[in-house]
Amino acid sequence: DVKVTQSSRYLVKRTGEKVFLECVQDMDHENMFWYRQDPGLGLRLIYFSYDVKMKEKGDIPEGYSVSREKKERFSLILESASTNQTSMYLCASSLTGFSYGYTFGSGTRLTVV
Amino acid sequence: DAKTTQPTSMDCAEGRAANLPCNHSTISGNEYVYWYRQIHSQGPQYIIHGLKNNETNEMASLIITEDRKSSTLILPHATLRDTAVYYCIVSPNYGGSQGNLIFGKGTKLSVKP
Repeated sequence: DVKVTQSSRYLVKRTGEKVFLECVQDMDHENMFWYRQDPGLGLRLIYFSYDVKMKEKGDIPEGYSVSREKKERFSLILESASTNQTSMYLCASSLTGFSYGYTFGSGTRLTVV
Repeated sequence: DAKTTQPTSMDCAEGRAANLPCNHSTISGNEYVYWYRQIHSQGPQYIIHGLKNNETNEMASLIITEDRKSSTLILPHATLRDTAVYYCIVSPNYGGSQGNLIFGKGTKLSVKP
């Protein structure tokens, strides 16, 4: 069964810490995405990548960066965590060039205190 | 802004068909209609997508009107496990710019015994 795996299900970090959220997919997908989901706001796209070492800003990139050194791994980095980054973070991947659906991970619930 | 309009919530009796409507009156010629669902505390799950023709897979059927301004997702025999938020999304499908899935608020489907 194809999978998108997020390294942590729950995470608690302190304000100002540097936080790494890891996502790995085993489907050889070109595209990978990071979303955050907040009550009343739905899913919002933070960053996406359509190839190794490539990245594109989504709708809310401020305060985040990403890294894609290998095709299967897409990392989201919070350079200096703040309380307003407390959220559910969802990683997804997809193939390119045809209308395949996105496969999502189970999410990481991050709390910044 | 989401390009789709869905009812906030719907109920369905277990074993009956669930018909979830979606309006997308501003859809463009190259935009697909996608359906995802999100069961509580999990990542969204791809269900089905279509461009013009009706589609069916092991999970559901998608009926798209001839003018493409609306569609209906049909779960033929709803079970309690189909209780979830269902998202209808329209998105272009070209190359690396697949990072534009905009999830609205969706329809909360409650399947009742």
